[in-house]
Amino acid sequence: AQSVTQPDIHITVSEGASLELRCNYSYGATPYLFWYVQSPGQGLQLLLKYFSGDTLVQGIKGFEAEFKRSQSSFNLRKPSVHWSDAAEYFCAVAGGYNKLIFGAGTRLAVHP
Amino acid sequence: DVKVTQSSRYLVKRTGEKVFLECVQDMDHENMFWYRQDPGLGLRLIYFSYDVKMKEKGDIPEGYSVSREKKERFSLILESASTNQTSMYLCASRRDANYGYTFGSGTRLTVV
Repeated sequence: AQSVTQPDIHITVSEGASLELRCNYSYGATPYLFWYVQSPGQGLQLLLKYFSGDTLVQGIKGFEAEFKRSQSSFNLRKPSVHWSDAAEYFCAVAGGYNKLIFGAGTRLAVHP
Repeated sequence: DVKVTQSSRYLVKRTGEKVFLECVQDMDHENMFWYRQDPGLGLRLIYFSYDVKMKEKGDIPEGYSVSREKKERFSLILESASTNQTSMYLCASRRDANYGYTFGSGTRLTVV
C-alpha cells in the first residue's frame, strides 16, 4: 500500500540554522512527490514537486528536496531558516486517480 | 493565479444537522478532492471527483457524501453531523497528474 512517513512530529531550530525535514514513502512505481507548507489557519501551499529527471529539486522560499530512490526518501532542506518558515510541512506522494497521500506532518518552530 | 474558494472559514453546527461545505475552483480543473485534517493524522482523503457527476470514495468516506453538478463546484455533505466530524476540511483541485494540487484555505467545522 502507498504511504508516507514523516518521522519527526516537531522540530525546533534557531533562526539562521540549516534545516532538514525527513520524508520516506512507500510506492510501487516511480513516485510523484510533493512538499507542502501550511501556515496557521491557512490552506496548503506547494513548495516543490518531483516527477522525474534531476533528483535535486528547487522550490519556492529557498527550499530544496532530494529524491533518493535507494532510500525511498524525499527530504526537504533549507540552508538558513527564517522566523517566517515556522509552519507545518507535509510530504505527499501521488497515488492512483491523481490522489495525494500525505504524511502526518512535521511542525517546525523557529527560535530567534 | 489559480484559486480554490471554500465558502466558510468557520462553521458551528449541531449534532444531527445536515451540513454542506462548498468548494469552487476557477481553473477548469477536472479533478477535485475533499480532505479532512486532524492533528497527528495529516490529511485524509474523504472523496474525490475526476469529472462532472463522477465521484469516488477516498479512505474515510463514512458519514459523508459529495455532489459535483458543475465542473467548478464540489460540495461535501455531512448527512447527519456528529461530534467526531469536528475537523478542518480542505478542498483541492488539480488539472492532471503533471501538476500539484491547489488547496482552499479550509473550513474549520465544529459539531456540538
